Amino acid sequence: DQQVKQNSPSLSVQEGRISILNCDYTNSMFDYFLWYKKYPAEGPTFLISISSIKDKNEDGRFTVFLNKSAKHLSLHIVPSQPGDSAVYFCAATASSNTGKLIFGQGTTLQVKP
Amino acid sequence: EPEVTQTPSHQVTQMGQEVILRCVPISNHLYFYWYRQILGQKVEFLVSFYNNEISEKSEIFDDQFSVERPDGSNFTLKIRSTKLEDSAMYFCASNGLGYNEQFFGPGTRLTVL
Repeated sequence: DQQVKQNSPSLSVQEGRISILNCDYTNSMFDYFLWYKKYPAEGPTFLISISSIKDKNEDGRFTVFLNKSAKHLSLHIVPSQPGDSAVYFCAATASSNTGKLIFGQGTTLQVKP
Repeated sequence: EPEVTQTPSHQVTQMGQEVILRCVPISNHLYFYWYRQILGQKVEFLVSFYNNEISEKSEIFDDQFSVERPDGSNFTLKIRSTKLEDSAMYFCASNGLGYNEQFFGPGTRLTVL
């Protein structure tokens, strides 16, 4: 039951360029989406989120875009830095539920100097 | 900056033994969660907890699992009789009233031998 999917297990980009991480979902009840960053042996760290009433949210180098009709969201990192190298998880939740997050499988981003 | 803490960082146990994983959520948060991540897989929801009772639990959270908030600060996950397949990273998370963003602890690595 993969309600949230990240189809790219890995992504490699050059320092300074744009990183684009993608996420698809199937459950129409999801109305809030989050991106988490995770380093090995650490817990997920909240990065940025977006409500379904918006189609874009920006925070510094990070921007999340939401396309509700396509049930697709993406995280853009510009410019990418070597310290951004980590696993990025997309997560979704529905206001009607108890707050549980449904995570995608994650995308490992490597930013090369 | 307030953070979620978890102890121990690593727990090794024999199959069939009971383990208790401990978490101290962020002090003014009201919603508490446990998630787990089996090596190489996605982060999975186990249980949500609010107002001193379970709000929702996943299929994974069977009768071997229980949660408790024994005092005003700790939030525990107990596994009564561990199985080999319980080996995973266990993450505690919390969020405040009106916020969807959950903040995660660093995790406890549980190894069942």
